[in-house]
Amino acid sequence: AQSVTQLGSHVSVSEGALVLLRCNYSSSVPPYLFWYVQYPNQGLQLLLKYTTGATLVKGINGFEAEFKKSETSFHLTKPSAHMSDAAEYFCAVSTYGGSQGNLIFGKGTKLSVKP
Amino acid sequence: NAGVTQTPKFQVLKTGQSMTLQCAQDMNHNSMYWYRQDPGMGLRLIYYSASEGTTDKGEVPNGYNVSRLNKREFSLRLESAAPSQTSVYFCASSSVQGQRPHSGYTFGSGTRLTVV
Repeated sequence: AQSVTQLGSHVSVSEGALVLLRCNYSSSVPPYLFWYVQYPNQGLQLLLKYTTGATLVKGINGFEAEFKKSETSFHLTKPSAHMSDAAEYFCAVSTYGGSQGNLIFGKGTKLSVKP
Repeated sequence: NAGVTQTPKFQVLKTGQSMTLQCAQDMNHNSMYWYRQDPGMGLRLIYYSASEGTTDKGEVPNGYNVSRLNKREFSLRLESAAPSQTSVYFCASSSVQGQRPHSGYTFGSGTRLTVV
């Protein structure tokens, strides 16, 4: 069975500091992994994805994530936070349908950026 | 622009009223989904449709019905609204190949529903 755990429901960083949002997954098959961002009062937007190939994937707005099979992790990073990065971030892993659909989402991590 | 369109964006209902939330996608995706999002609860799947003509229950289907009208459109109906259905509703679509969504989901902008 597939599952996703996002460590920390709230993360606060200073502008210019490193952003690190943690995601661990469980999957009985090679996973497809995704990060989504949700700005206030908007829908979810795909940041980046890993399906196969290079384990370090780059996304929009300077974010990147690294698939680490041995650690079952897919943490999201950005070297220098901007005020505009304040949003909620969701990690997701693919599954084969069922009562959770084709993607299982984590509970989300709300990122705050302090000036 | 290609994407997922939801209507309406906002709605206030009285307890017991009914309404239908509309969703349409123009990306030729085969699968469509309805989620609700509540504070601290993340996204919870209400119903999904793997392909035209099929629908399946998700985690929280009680009080809702759906219709996959054609490949583009997937509607969500509240027959008798209750205050517990106050939420933000998102529609999403994906191209599922080999039973998995290679490109993830594309989400609509949401419907904010308040039931009083």
